[in-house]
Amino acid sequence: GAGVSQSPSNKVTEKGKDVELRCDPISGHTALYWYRQSLGQGLEFLIYFQGNSAPDKSGLPSDRFSAERTGGSVSTLTIQRTQQEDSAVYLCASSQTRYEQYFGPGTRLTVT
Amino acid sequence: GENVEQHPSTLSVQEGDSAVIKCTYSDSASNYFPWYKQELGKGPQLIIDIRSNVGEKKDQRIAVTLNKTAKHFSLHITETQPEDSAVYFCAASWGNQFYFGTGTSLTVIP
Repeated sequence: GAGVSQSPSNKVTEKGKDVELRCDPISGHTALYWYRQSLGQGLEFLIYFQGNSAPDKSGLPSDRFSAERTGGSVSTLTIQRTQQEDSAVYLCASSQTRYEQYFGPGTRLTVT
Repeated sequence: GENVEQHPSTLSVQEGDSAVIKCTYSDSASNYFPWYKQELGKGPQLIIDIRSNVGEKKDQRIAVTLNKTAKHFSLHITETQPEDSAVYFCAASWGNQFYFGTGTSLTVIP
């Protein structure tokens, strides 16, 4: 079946611009995670959605970052007023349980 | 919060040899320990996992061991093949939180 998809695969933006990154989870998966992966680093947790519960936003690095999940499916991560330190690969994962996570291919964001 | 350390950061082995990657964690509440393989340009893929009520788990050439007392767990790959070359990440989890190691770049030399 279809896996987790993310779009765009690559995004180059100018410093100060806003960007939106999209994640389409596996159908039926109630949990959705966003992570940030900087070069040579591990995955940094950003935000977690579970069903209709309030999201866990504890990993968002600043108020320039926000995310929403519409209809319990598609999620959008928005970064406002992008900075060069926001350059990274943004990964989305979905899960049917609290264990196995299935990752998308990521969006590589470059802020110039 | 949880702190996961992973070693080594790079590892080269000859084809057919074994590879071992080790991780330590700090929070005794962690009860789920997955391992992911990430190939270039792709997202991480779960390859094996272990829960805290089990000490060892094996799946073909891959095995994971967990020592809860010492708070460390390891990934063992036997009879390595060139296609095993990738970056491997460990993680420790409790509740909905996942904490990842910084990755091990494994190269299998033909």
